[in-house]
This record gives sequence, C-alpha cells and structure tokens, in this order.
Amino acid sequence: GAVVSQHPSRVICKSGTSVKIECRSLDFQATTMFWYRQFPKQSLMLMATSNEGSKATYEQGVEKDKFLINHASLTLSTLTVTSAHPEDSSFYICSASLTSSDNEQFFGPGTRLTVL
Amino acid sequence: DAKTTQPPSMDCAEGRAANLPCNHSTISGNEYVYWYRQIHSQGPQYIIHGLKNNETNEMASLIITEDRKSSTLILPHATLRDTAVYYCIVRPRGTGFQKLVFGTGTRLLVSP
Repeated sequence: GAVVSQHPSRVICKSGTSVKIECRSLDFQATTMFWYRQFPKQSLMLMATSNEGSKATYEQGVEKDKFLINHASLTLSTLTVTSAHPEDSSFYICSASLTSSDNEQFFGPGTRLTVL
Repeated sequence: DAKTTQPPSMDCAEGRAANLPCNHSTISGNEYVYWYRQIHSQGPQYIIHGLKNNETNEMASLIITEDRKSSTLILPHATLRDTAVYYCIVRPRGTGFQKLVFGTGTRLLVSP
C-alpha cells in the first residue's frame, strides 16, 4: 500500500514552454502533498506544501507564479513549471501524506525535467 | 537547515553489516528519528523511524543512544541493491508536523 506515482517520468521541453507534472496517490487519500526539487549531486529541497482544496504554501525563494501547484482532489496534485528555462532542469519529486495522525510521507519515483 | 550530521560516504562489503551513524545532538523530546534512502534517480524510500527505543523491521535496525543525541542505522546483511544515499531526519510526529528537511546524507557503496 501507500503507492505514489508521478507522470511523466521524464520530459524534455524547449525554453519558454510550460510543463505539467502529475502526482497521484494510488491507494490512499492524501490530505497533504509535497513537492521537492533535486539538482545533480545535491539533496532534496522542499519547494512547497500542498493541501487539498487550498492554496499551496511555498518555501522561501520559490516563485509561486513560476511553479504553479494545484491540489484539486485527495489523490492528485499537479506542478506546472511555467516559462521553463534551462536552470529549471532538475529532478522533481512529490510525496503524499496519509490522512492519519501519523502523517507519514510516501514518495513518488520522480520526474526528470530537461529544458533545452 | 537539517538538524542532523552524517558522514558523506561509507563503503561496505556485500554480505557484511552496514552501520550508518547520525548525530542529532539538538533533538527535542517530541522529535522522532527517521531514516530514508534514495537509490540513484529514484524517489526516497522510507526505512524506519524511532523515538527512544531501538527498532527493527524487515529492512533494518535502528539503535538510538540513551541520551538520544545520536543513532545508528544497521543493515544486517548489505547487498549491492542497498547502494544508495541514506538520510537521517529528525522531526516531530503527528498532525501538523509534516515537513521533512533533508540533509546531505551518507552515500553508501556496497561492493562485491
């Protein structure tokens, strides 16, 4: 149980275009989903926390107008990288938290974004 | 900022026990110690967590010192598939305390 999927697993896009990444909790309902970014040879950095039905909370330094997060249901959150640039190339990982007092996080497999 | 300190890398021979240390000298009374690992180009995988007692599951054992200022993750019989970056994280548990702050972790290399 507690499986989180991401789609797509890899995406290559041209500079200036927008890319949408989906994060789904497959067998549980997630009140909260998290989006992380990981550059090569670095650790995961939390970008934002997303609660179902409300606006996402962004970490300091993360542009909310560039990284649009939608959490419309208890099983789906999307991250849209708008007007992507080569410096946005990274590994984007989501996690989902169970609707329980434990609030354990389960991670998706990640999405590799390459902006040309 | 991460509240833990881990060695950047460790080596282990296949079949031997891998003992990964973590220092968390500023841990608070309501904070748990969590361990995750990340195999190359994959999302992190939960391993184990504990508060003050030693814990064991099918993946690993967690030994927490009595003063809770440090802990050790033990992989009893390391395999090549255990090669990964291992992250030690401390955080409160329960509703509202969900944020995970990843440090740099320990890169474990298991060799034949």
